[in-house]
Amino acid sequence: AQSVTQPDIHITVSEGASLELRCNYSYGATPYLFWYVQSPGQGLQLLLKYFSGDTLVQGIKGFEAEFKRSQSSFNLRKPSVHWSDAAEYFCAVTYGNKLVFGAGTILRVKS
Amino acid sequence: SAVISQKPSRDICQRGTSLTIQCQVDSQVTMMFWYRQQPGQSLTLIATANQGSEATYESGFVIDKFPISRPNLTFSTLTVSNMSPEDSSIYLCSVLLAGTDTQYFGPGTRLTVL
Repeated sequence: AQSVTQPDIHITVSEGASLELRCNYSYGATPYLFWYVQSPGQGLQLLLKYFSGDTLVQGIKGFEAEFKRSQSSFNLRKPSVHWSDAAEYFCAVTYGNKLVFGAGTILRVKS
Repeated sequence: SAVISQKPSRDICQRGTSLTIQCQVDSQVTMMFWYRQQPGQSLTLIATANQGSEATYESGFVIDKFPISRPNLTFSTLTVSNMSPEDSSIYLCSVLLAGTDTQYFGPGTRLTVL
């Protein structure tokens, strides 16, 4: 069955430090991969997506993610975190037309 | 992308009652979905809302509990019936825009059942 694993439930980084959020997927075919962000009390906002082509994709708010087929991973990165990045981040994979989500990673930013 | 609105944004309801949540999108979409996010949890797909026909429910969700309508391409409703405290969750609709493979989400409806 298709699944998405986000191994880190909580991550705390200092403002200005770099960030990497991990995501691994289990899927038989070439996946469509997504990262969404959910700020407190808000819906989900699309950060970036990967369908094919260049394995390094750029998204909004200075985020990027790299698809590594050999590792079944799609990790999210940001070189310098801002306090406004504190939120919950969800990795997701499309299974047909359905989205399967990881458990989410809560990011806390220390000033 | 698309502008997606949901009503109500939040509600507090008594057990045994029902609540209908509306989802409206400002452009034509191919598919609409309803998700549940229980407290501290990730999102789980409830069903795919099909225009003019019965919704397609995921395992563990049934029509009697979560009736869904989609009378046209841009509007859908989800009803949470005979509510219990275990139904306290955020309910989100999402849409698949025509010509894309990307789902966009509404702001969610935060439901508390007492």
